[in-house]
Amino acid sequence: GAGVSQSPSNKVTEKGKDVELRCDPISGHTALYWYRQRLGQGLEFLIYFQGNSAPDKSGLPSDRFSAERTGESVSTLTIQRTQQEDSAVYLCASSLRRGDQETQYFGPGTRLLVL
Amino acid sequence: SQQGEEDPQALSIQEGENATMNCSYKTSINNLQWYRQNSGRGLVHLILIRSNEREKHSGRLRVTLDTSKKSSSLLITASRAADTASYFCATSSGYALNFGKGTSLLVTP
Repeated sequence: GAGVSQSPSNKVTEKGKDVELRCDPISGHTALYWYRQRLGQGLEFLIYFQGNSAPDKSGLPSDRFSAERTGESVSTLTIQRTQQEDSAVYLCASSLRRGDQETQYFGPGTRLLVL
Repeated sequence: SQQGEEDPQALSIQEGENATMNCSYKTSINNLQWYRQNSGRGLVHLILIRSNEREKHSGRLRVTLDTSKKSSSLLITASRAADTASYFCATSSGYALNFGKGTSLLVTP
C-alpha cells in the first residue's frame, strides 16, 4: 500500500513568513509523529498524535510551532514567523498503534529553507 | 533530546567488506531500533531489538544489544555500494524515538 507522504518536498520562504507542512499517514495508522532534522544531526521529536487523544506537544521548540490532526488522517505542521534556525528537514512518521514496540514508517520529509 | 550516540561518525569501506557501527545510550530502554537514511530524506526501519534480546539477524544485518553496557552494534556483512547511507540508532522508553546523530557509511565499488 501507499506509504507516508509529505508535501511540499521543498519549501523556500523568507524570514517572518508562515509555512504549513502536510503529512498523509499510512491508512489505518492511529499514531502520527513529527520530527525535525537539522543538517548533520539526528531527529528531534516535535509532536505526537494518537487517535482522538490530546497530542503530546512536549517537543515543540517554541509557540511559533503548532500542529493539527483530524481524527486518524492528515496532519499539518505550521510554523509562524519563520526564523533562519527553523531551516531543517521536517519528517513525519506513522505507526499502526501507540507503543514503543511499533515500527514507525517515515515519509520523505519536507526540506525547509528560511532565507 | 538525543540519547543514542553512534560511533564512528563516518565510515568508508570497499564493497564486500563488513561494516560495523556502534551505538551507546544513557537511560533504560524498552527496545532499540536501527534506521537507514538515504540522501537526508525519509528513514527506513531496519531492525528492532528488545531489551531482553542479545542478538538479532535480518538478512545481511546483525544487531547486538548489551544492556549492561548500554550499547548496541549493527554489522552489515558483505557490503554493497547500495548500502551507502546514514545509519541511526533510536531508543524508545515511551512512544517517541530518540535518535543519535548517525553514522555515515560510504561503500566504494
